[in-house]
Amino acid sequence: QKEVEQNSGPLSVPEGAIASLNCTYSDRVSQSFFWYRQYSGKSPELIMSIYSNGDKEDGRFTAQLNKASQYVSLLIRDSQPSDSATYLCAVPFGNEKLTFGTGTRLTIIP
Amino acid sequence: KAGVTQTPRYLIKTRGQQVTLSCSPISGHRSVSWYQQTPGQGLQFLFEYFSETQRNKGNFPGRFSGRQFSNSRSEMNVSTLELGDSALYLCASRPTSTDTQYFGPGTRLTVL
Repeated sequence: QKEVEQNSGPLSVPEGAIASLNCTYSDRVSQSFFWYRQYSGKSPELIMSIYSNGDKEDGRFTAQLNKASQYVSLLIRDSQPSDSATYLCAVPFGNEKLTFGTGTRLTIIP
Repeated sequence: KAGVTQTPRYLIKTRGQQVTLSCSPISGHRSVSWYQQTPGQGLQFLFEYFSETQRNKGNFPGRFSGRQFSNSRSEMNVSTLELGDSALYLCASRPTSTDTQYFGPGTRLTVL
């Protein structure tokens, strides 16, 4: 069974600090990885995609990928209260069927 | 470009009824996927359609079905509703060239 695993949290981070979210996946051949943010009662919103080993930065967000360890992470710098949400890691398995982790609930404490 | 749209946004049904949900993808996107999201199970893949053909199907009973029209709009149908079908149903579309999916606002289905 193809799986994507995340710590469910909740993860509490002080405002202005770095929030670190982690995800592991079971399929060694996966080539693309996504982070979605979901506010309560809303639909998932794509915030980052990453395809190559290493880091990818976009504003305050940095995605990190290590294919050998089957590990992808999301760092949020200078965390803001508006970053409080559930963060979903998603990996396509076989024929591009997107499989989601259960999500990590992040709370930024003012 | 307009985003993915879903109708209706909210729906209340009773057990045993059936329901049809609609999704219009982003213009130019030919792939439409459907997901069910519940607090206990998270986001679960239902099925994917591309050019009117079902390409993938998740582990859901046959009561869940879907179709896609020539204009890429998609519908999903749930027959003989059960209490456990109460969920947020999400539609996502993606361009042919990538596997990046963009979600609609969802349809909140409540089964009483």
